[in-house]
Amino acid sequence: NAGVTQTPKFQVLKTGQSMTLQCAQDMNHNSMYWYRQDPGMGLRLIYYSASEGTTDKGEVPNGYNVSRLNKREFSLRLESAAPSQTSVYFCASSYTGFRETQYFGPGTRLLVL
Amino acid sequence: LAKTTQPISMDSYEGQEVNITCSHNNIATNDYITWYQQFPSQGPRFIIQGYKTKVTNEVASLFIPADRKSSTLSLPRVSLSDTAVYYCLVGDSDSNYQLIWGAGTKLIIKP
Repeated sequence: NAGVTQTPKFQVLKTGQSMTLQCAQDMNHNSMYWYRQDPGMGLRLIYYSASEGTTDKGEVPNGYNVSRLNKREFSLRLESAAPSQTSVYFCASSYTGFRETQYFGPGTRLLVL
Repeated sequence: LAKTTQPISMDSYEGQEVNITCSHNNIATNDYITWYQQFPSQGPRFIIQGYKTKVTNEVASLFIPADRKSSTLSLPRVSLSDTAVYYCLVGDSDSNYQLIWGAGTKLIIKP
């Protein structure tokens, strides 16, 4: 039981490049989330998927797109990376919704030059 | 919008009990209070959740007064490994109870 896994662990991009962050969970959870965390700050919600087939914007969705590929996988795409997107990205999942315990992945550190 | 206020940092010593208080003056009737712990270079980890009075698990206790405008996380007999950032969270009832993450409290445990 791996919990929540994220790939890659670290990535360097040039401004304008695109990339997809992958997230998978093996806990049969319905809800999945993408957060970003900037230095010294709390997490900010980018997008979430309450259940398979649905996605909704969070607090800071601009510059990102998501895909809930199936119940296990939830990907985050940066179409044209900007230095302001330099951050640590966390994926999380919960059984159903925000009130349930969220289980977080190890994070992806992204540097945009 | 639900918002929490907690100390930016705290120090304590091994073996002591640590209490971290969080204020959430505009908590909605149906909101729960949730605490997470985050170690450097790791994702947050759930510690405890409560609605009112007292909740205890194997890691911590959570005290919530009757007016629910504040809560206190209590960590008994801390060790060096409890050095982490602790987040107090309430759901935003206007947006499906999305959790609003502040900067948290950086707890440093000294030997």
